[in-house]
Order: sequence, then structure tokens, then C-alpha cells
Amino acid sequence: QQPVQSPQAVILREGEDAVINCSSSKALYSVHWYRQKHGEAPVFLMILLKGGEQKGHEKISASFNEKKQQSSLYLTASQLSYSGTYFCGTEHKTSYDKVIFGPGTSLSVIP
Amino acid sequence: SQTIHQWPATLVQPVGSPLSLECTVEGTSNPNLYWYRQAAGRGLQLLFYSVGIGQISSEVPQNLSASRPQDRQFILSSKKLLLSDSGFYLCAWSVFGGGNEQFFGPGTRLTVL
Repeated sequence: QQPVQSPQAVILREGEDAVINCSSSKALYSVHWYRQKHGEAPVFLMILLKGGEQKGHEKISASFNEKKQQSSLYLTASQLSYSGTYFCGTEHKTSYDKVIFGPGTSLSVIP
Repeated sequence: SQTIHQWPATLVQPVGSPLSLECTVEGTSNPNLYWYRQAAGRGLQLLFYSVGIGQISSEVPQNLSASRPQDRQFILSSKKLLLSDSGFYLCAWSVFGGGNEQFFGPGTRLTVL
């Protein structure tokens, strides 16, 4: 039931781009994306809903393929502040309200 | 504006002792409430969630329990802590209904010795 994330970890230089993927084995109602800095609480980035609606950060983009039950988060022109662990969370059609998070993707941006 | 509080911020407890962590939300009504646990270097494990007073859904069978005595109060408890209960405990809230962002509290770092 837990979504799968890839890659597990990625290292970027400032200005490079990255894509983080999230997939589920169950039909999805929505996909959430959060970023967590070490020792802090996760911070909301974006929600993608079935039907194409998106709510979230202006500088971050994401896609949601309902048929494939997959989502991707696109980080462009990365900055040092993008470093952290990125989690996707999924709400399933049979149990929305309940968000199950993936194992996370560690992103490190270096100068 | 809405705020979420958790206390204590850190806690060190011996094995076999009881536990009570409290979470309160201000500035909203009838929120969904969640308890997550994060082991060191790991992901967010959903422990409990609640869509209303007295309505608790348990996700992981273990020695923890949760209660929601008031609309904006969520309590995580244990009668006897295990070493494996150590971790970072996060409370979160969202607007009632699905497809809404979750707002996380600052967390409680629990160490069981």
C-alpha cells in the first residue's frame, strides 16, 4: 500500500534539474508532495488531484498520470535550499482522508 | 490563521514507562488529525488518523493508542514503552475531506532507553 519512490537519493550541482517519481499499486484519488529538512517537520509543496487539478508551489511542477497511478515532481534550476528529503503521499480512491507516505528521496544540492 | 502545537518537544523515557503526547490545533474546526512516526533516517509511518471526535482509525497494530477528546485535540498514548517506540512523532491536520494539504506540527523527539 505504501507508494514507491525513485530514486532513493540524488546529488545535484546548483542549476541542474531533477525528477522524482512516485507510483502506487492502487487507484489514486490524489498525490501529495512534501519536503523535509533534517530535524524539521515536512513542508507542503503540492497536491495533484484526479481530473488534473493542482494546488501548490508556484516554482515547482509535477505531473499525475491517473491511469498509470504515477506522479513525478520536477525540480528545475536547483538551488542549495532545495536540499532535503522529498516524500510523496497518496490518497486512494477507496480511502481518501488517509495519506500514506513513500520512503522518501534524499536530494542534495552542492555548489 | 491556523496553528498546530505539539508538546513536549523532546522526551527521554525508560522502557516500560507510560507515554502521553498531545497535539492541539487552533484556528479551524472539524479538522482531520493524524499521528505519524519517523524512525531515524526513515519515512513517515501513519499511526492513527481521525475525522471527528471519538473517531480513531488505527493503521499499525502496536502498543500505542490515540484519542480525540475534543475537536481540535489529539493525544497519543502508551501504557508501556518499547525500545522500538523511539522516533520523531509528528502530528498533522488537514481540512475535513480528501485532497487537502497536511500541516505538520513541530514534532516530538522520543528516545526510549
